[in-house]
Amino acid sequence: DAGITQSPRHKVTETGTPVTLRCHQTENHRYMYWYRQDPGHGLRLIHYSYGVKDTDKGEVSDGYSVSRSKTEDFLLTLESATSSQTSVYFCAIRAGTGGTEAFFGQGTRLTVV
Amino acid sequence: KQEVTQIPAALSVPEGENLVLNCSFTDSAIYNLQWFRQDPGKGLTSLLLIQSSQREQTSGRLNASLDKSSGRSTLYIAASQPGDSATYLCAVTGGGNKLTFGTGTQLKVEL
Repeated sequence: DAGITQSPRHKVTETGTPVTLRCHQTENHRYMYWYRQDPGHGLRLIHYSYGVKDTDKGEVSDGYSVSRSKTEDFLLTLESATSSQTSVYFCAIRAGTGGTEAFFGQGTRLTVV
Repeated sequence: KQEVTQIPAALSVPEGENLVLNCSFTDSAIYNLQWFRQDPGKGLTSLLLIQSSQREQTSGRLNASLDKSSGRSTLYIAASQPGDSATYLCAVTGGGNKLTFGTGTQLKVEL
């Protein structure tokens, strides 16, 4: 698992509430990513980070914010959860030789009711 | 905008057969291409990484090729086994070090 831990693994929340998902890595890799996976859409990039306090938007960033105050943690916040944000969320890092290979966490299944 | 397509979307083969999964991408300006495996309800497992300067990579019964100029990659699985049943995803890394994924090929290997 390349030292990636996502928490929580499962969450049910109500529409309109804020939700924060956490991605933790143990090896100080520079690049971290948040993706969502939905049937028919595959994996789509939400936000990514290339260092502490350095983040950028992906293709589906509306309604999401991120923070990276330390190298090992990348937080994804749904500011006001909607049913359309029901999905499986994956965190990824760049690691391996040359830091070019992507490794993924086990995912967080989020249901917004 | 980079688009990645995987064909076929689903494939069912008998055990022991050799098979090829296809991946195509629209923008050839990539740094690398990576193949993943995903089991139901699980995360993604990296299978093979091909840098843009390479033509192929091999790991056990898996061989992946890359033709960057034509925007194509293939994943060859030799002597398929029921344990190979999973969804196979390809992804390319382009500008900004971002991965763009295809929607996957769902493989079922039957006894």
